[in-house]
Amino acid sequence: EIVLTQSPGTLSLSPGERATLSCRASQSVSSSYLAWYQQKPGQAPRLLIYGASSRATGIPDRFSGSGSGTDFTLAISRLEPEDFAVYYCQQYGGSPLWTFGQGTKVEIK
Amino acid sequence: EVQLVQSGAEVKKPGESLRISCKGSGYNFTNYWISWVRQMPGKGLEWMGRIDPSDSHTNYSPSFQGHVTISADKSISTAYLQWSSLKASDTAMYYCARLFWNGFQNYFDYWGQGTLVTVSS
Repeated sequence: EIVLTQSPGTLSLSPGERATLSCRASQSVSSSYLAWYQQKPGQAPRLLIYGASSRATGIPDRFSGSGSGTDFTLAISRLEPEDFAVYYCQQYGGSPLWTFGQGTKVEIK
Repeated sequence: EVQLVQSGAEVKKPGESLRISCKGSGYNFTNYWISWVRQMPGKGLEWMGRIDPSDSHTNYSPSFQGHVTISADKSISTAYLQWSSLKASDTAMYYCARLFWNGFQNYFDYWGQGTLVTVSS
């Protein structure tokens, strides 16, 4: 099983600040199969980034993804009030076929 | 507009059976796999399994194999997640999600609103 470890568990920041979220895989992951999702309380997850760095339709350009191999990053350049949420990375490959990281909560400081 | 609409919340007793549903609309249902994802209270996302609605071929996570059954009825564009004997530990929110796969990338591009399953005696 490919385990995804996200850090930090919680990120306390103020609106306007930059957020950097990490996702580390237990073994190499194809960048094509690395995605990021945002989940707000009481809502379903929403696709943000696919292919490690491509923004999904309608996602603002303050969100960016990067990385390769075992280390991936989601950056939010300037936090807006609606960006405070939980973020999950996800990969495809191995068994089980798809796995998620445990999540990083971005909270208002 | 692509939509996945799930059935409503359920309250069941341990040992009871249950089937929840996920109806797709706004796209050709047989062209995209559907996955089910569990989220236990206050916890993260866990992939349970997937189905290809065109031929009902399934794959399950080892963690869920044998405990749940995923099926689909392509004639009504609906996927199902089924339990034959619920446990209290099955209490969770369950999401269906459409898998986009173009041959070299895949990701869950549309999600249902979730179905809350509560199992309690």
